Amino acid sequence: EVQLVESGGGLVQPGGSLRLSCAASGLNFRSYTLAWVRQAPGRGLEWVASISAASVTIVYSDSVKGRFTISRDNAKTSLYLEMNTLRDDDTAIYYCARDKWDDYGFHWFDPWGPGTLVTVSS
Amino acid sequence: FSLTQPHSVSESPGKTVTISCTRSGGNIDKNFVQWYHQRPGSSPTTVIFGDNQRPSGVSSRFSGSIDSPSNSASLTISGLRPEDDGDYFCQSTDRDTQAVIFGGGTKLTVL
Repeated sequence: EVQLVESGGGLVQPGGSLRLSCAASGLNFRSYTLAWVRQAPGRGLEWVASISAASVTIVYSDSVKGRFTISRDNAKTSLYLEMNTLRDDDTAIYYCARDKWDDYGFHWFDPWGPGTLVTVSS
Repeated sequence: FSLTQPHSVSESPGKTVTISCTRSGGNIDKNFVQWYHQRPGSSPTTVIFGDNQRPSGVSSRFSGSIDSPSNSASLTISGLRPEDDGDYFCQSTDRDTQAVIFGGGTKLTVL
């Protein structure tokens, strides 16, 4: 069974930084594209970034480009999201998910982890 | 581009409901559409991918379709059950930029 478990969320001040991690098990991690998707409290889903299996292709949403960095360590079967210059509107639950872009040629996300909450507030 | 969904729909158990997702900017039939179901406090799960494909384990009560003239996608759920309650999100991609967009979500209430 595929499991994705996020960690690293918490309270951070505006302008601060935070690093999220996603530990994966039960899948051939080094073969799969992975993604971060977030959801502000009571709001809809927003894709953040995707990274291909060998980190060759990385894409970001316009809202985080230049502030967030997605990366992965295939040896540790872990996905990361380095978040800098955080703003109030970055407050959200951050989910990691397998992005099936590599298998299907289009982005769709399955499965998803339970998420980790990031709160940006002074 | 953007994807627009109705804010909420409601229907009785056993009935059929259809949720729409209208694309503004770009053609709906040039970019595959996915649908996700999210119950309160839980992560989303996929009910439809590739416009009309069901992942393994998803009930045949769920079906997806595309209507090119209206530039929209639809999710139809038949034989509604209480567990179908929750939020449904459509999602698609801009093939040129690889940007991924979700619709705003539709809250389904099974009365």
